[in-house]
Amino acid sequence: SQQGEEDPQALSIQEGENATMNCSYKTSINNLQWYRQNSGRGLVHLILIRSNEREKHSGRLRVTLDTSKKSSSLLITASRAADTASYFCATDAVQGAQKLVFGQGTRLTINP
Amino acid sequence: DGGITQSPKYLFRKEGQNVTLSCEQNLNHDAMYWYRQDPGQGLRLIYYSQIVNDFQKGDIAEGYSVSREKKESFPLTVTSAQKNPTAFYLCASTGWGDQPQHFGDGTRLSIL
Repeated sequence: SQQGEEDPQALSIQEGENATMNCSYKTSINNLQWYRQNSGRGLVHLILIRSNEREKHSGRLRVTLDTSKKSSSLLITASRAADTASYFCATDAVQGAQKLVFGQGTRLTINP
Repeated sequence: DGGITQSPKYLFRKEGQNVTLSCEQNLNHDAMYWYRQDPGQGLRLIYYSQIVNDFQKGDIAEGYSVSREKKESFPLTVTSAQKNPTAFYLCASTGWGDQPQHFGDGTRLSIL
């Protein structure tokens, strides 16, 4: 089952601009995670935000979580060509189960 | 270096043949996972194991089988019953608690 839905499906911006991706989900969660995938590679973990947190930062990344709206956003500031990748949100619904449900992803292209 | 190793990187299956994908981790993680990714899509869970000698079906287990005889290893067999096996297969592992999943670099399976 695909719980997360990401928006937009594809995003193309100029280098230096900010990129915002959104994720909506359907059921209560324990935590929500964001991953990046370069073409033909495995996923790399970016940020984990727990259900009792509202915002988290890591370098140029900022993640927000609104549990009342069942949504999250990932902001990448001052984008670089190396940020070109697909970005996925994943929800962990039950504490301790460690069973993630992934969204369909946003394909981000940074143009030089 | 700690990580997850998947092999082979590319695999071809003939009609009626079973093939086995290897996944090995040296992160001392208890939980391991197998996902299937189709082009332009998110990840779907095939099987997961939270402890040696135990595993559970994910959302799309039909036509697949797994074993977990050692903590480090979680091989996936794609059987001849899986009629549409062409996909990118990803293995992941994680420790206990709210830990992110670590991914291998995947195996791309195609039909001859």
